[in-house]
Amino acid sequence: RKEVEQDPGPFNVPEGATVAFNCTYSNSASQSFFWYRQDCRKEPKLLMSVYSSGNEDGRFTAQLNRASQYISLLIRDSKLSDSATYLCVVNWSNDYKLSFGAGTTVTVRA
Amino acid sequence: DTGVSQDPRHKITKRGQNVTFRCDPISEHNRLYWYRQTLGQGPEFLTYFQNEAQLEKSRLLSDRFSAERPKGSFSTLEIQRTEQGDSAMYLCASSLLGTQYFGPGTRLLVL
Repeated sequence: RKEVEQDPGPFNVPEGATVAFNCTYSNSASQSFFWYRQDCRKEPKLLMSVYSSGNEDGRFTAQLNRASQYISLLIRDSKLSDSATYLCVVNWSNDYKLSFGAGTTVTVRA
Repeated sequence: DTGVSQDPRHKITKRGQNVTFRCDPISEHNRLYWYRQTLGQGPEFLTYFQNEAQLEKSRLLSDRFSAERPKGSFSTLEIQRTEQGDSAMYLCASSLLGTQYFGPGTRLLVL
């Protein structure tokens, strides 16, 4: 079983729509959680950290459910520029050895 | 640009050749990481340095792979006797506290 699993998508949504997707992680001792964004043939870039109480950054909302070991990301009012692969990332020894999911591809169409 | 830099950005080599990649982390970042990413997958951890000390190596890092960070600044990753299965994007990241910042990667193709 992979440490971090994601629905690969793709999620094809029109501009302005809301899109949401989850990932699950296997290690219950996981300490830190993140969403990274990766554009085609580019490096991953931190989108946001995920906190236990859930957090929001503009149009992006992240939730963590420790009991069920899943993390979610919701994008409101999708923009064309949101088209990317979103990587769910977990680590269980802070600031060290990130474990990545395979990514969820989102395509926003005009 | 004061981000993480990697060189070369692309490398094509023949099976059996040795290759070396370089990573320059963000200044003052004491932690440096190497990851490998293949098509359709997320990055996989290879190894980690704190200053010049290599603190962990993944099982993915076979005996043909070696990484160094001699002065606690830049790092090199060498692959000896390359195989076609080594074809991937090799990503370097650095951090001071918390967030890891990634370089643009070196894309390796082994023919």
